[in-house]
Amino acid sequence: QVQLVESGGGVVQPGRSLRLSCAASGFTLSSYGMHWVRQAPGKGLEWVALISYDGSETYYADSLKGRFTISRDISKNTLFLQMNSLRAEDTAVYYCAKDHYGDHSAALDYWGQGTLVTVAS
Amino acid sequence: SYVLTQPPSVSVAPGQTARITCGGDNIGSQSVHWYQQKPGQAPVLVVFDDSARPSGIPERFSGSTSGNTASLTISRVEAGDEADFYCQVWDSPSDKWVFGGGTKLTVL
Repeated sequence: QVQLVESGGGVVQPGRSLRLSCAASGFTLSSYGMHWVRQAPGKGLEWVALISYDGSETYYADSLKGRFTISRDISKNTLFLQMNSLRAEDTAVYYCAKDHYGDHSAALDYWGQGTLVTVAS
Repeated sequence: SYVLTQPPSVSVAPGQTARITCGGDNIGSQSVHWYQQKPGQAPVLVVFDDSARPSGIPERFSGSTSGNTASLTISRVEAGDEADFYCQVWDSPSDKWVFGGGTKLTVL
């Protein structure tokens, strides 16, 4: 049974860093692309980042301006999102999601429950 | 950058058919995916690759694409279908995923 469990969210001051984790079970990260998607309070879904099934490629939303880094640890079957220089507009629920069949265009068929990041002084 | 346009809201009476559109330049040439999100919950995939349904999704949910418009059709709408719906595509020229702005489905 596929499960994705995010952790690491919380309240952080502007300019600080935070690392989110997504523990995967029921499948291996090395077979599927993984994404981070965020949702600001009362707003729609915004794609954040993708790491390919083999870990060789990463892609990011332009709005991040190089502040975020997606990575994974295959031995722990865990996905990460390193977020630096956080801003108030980064406040959102962050979801990790698995793609359907390991292709960039594949749909996201399983999602975690999300972790809330609040950037405030 | 590629833009997907959805109507902010669609309203339908129970038992009727709801159609939610997603407009994008030549979207018919791309794989379109649809997600349903109920308040306080994570999104759920309801249609992928334009018209395929994941296991466990009722046949009442169907998708189609033509030209510059993709559509999600929900037949025999039930109160439990009330949610926000999002379309999504992979924009290969820019190597970015794009979501539509979302449509709130209200069951009257």
